[in-house]
Amino acid sequence: DTEVTQTPKHLVMGMTNKKSLKCEQHMGHRAMYWYKQKAKKPPELMFVYSYEKLSINESVPSRFSPECPNSSLLNLHLHALQPEDSALYLCASSQVGRQILEQFFGPGTRLTVL
Amino acid sequence: SQQGEEDPQALSIQEGENATMNCSYKTSINNLQWYRQNSGRGLVHLILIRSNEREKHSGRLRVTLDTSKKSSSLLITASRAADTASYFCATALLKAGGTSYGKLTFGQGTILTVHP
Repeated sequence: DTEVTQTPKHLVMGMTNKKSLKCEQHMGHRAMYWYKQKAKKPPELMFVYSYEKLSINESVPSRFSPECPNSSLLNLHLHALQPEDSALYLCASSQVGRQILEQFFGPGTRLTVL
Repeated sequence: SQQGEEDPQALSIQEGENATMNCSYKTSINNLQWYRQNSGRGLVHLILIRSNEREKHSGRLRVTLDTSKKSSSLLITASRAADTASYFCATALLKAGGTSYGKLTFGQGTILTVHP
């Protein structure tokens, strides 16, 4: 199974809502990533988890809260978002090694904040 | 500033022609990777080239790496309409000890359109 799944595919939320994005992989990868991508722009790294521990936080606002409950799952909890947070949110996973190896991406969650 | 800059920003060709995309970067790398993204979808890994490699092939893809010029190119031969997508280079920066920082930095991307 070389697939990364993300749910939901689309999410519309108000600025006062709390929602969560979910990501799952069963490739035995121990590194998982959250990226944010605006239209016609490259993905921007948000968080990296390595062996279920947060290893990189790219100065992301606290209204985004990641969680890695086990080696297969990665969540992104959203609270009090702003309209400018509307974007495609991508999850990825990879093996952990001395080098950064290929990353496997999910299809993304299209988030709209009203 | 961005680690990876790509050119051209957009490329439009006919089916059967070759497509060449270029990527430049600023600091020493551990490896460089190319990804494809169909509109609004996730990225798909195409090829990884390590800093001690100069050329790599995978099917219709050919990637070169020139570390002295800090640049890479992706050549797609005999293009097909299904190759229409955005293509991104991504660099894994070199850390002391020969390892990488735990992240990739993506270039701005090239939008390739292949007309049937």
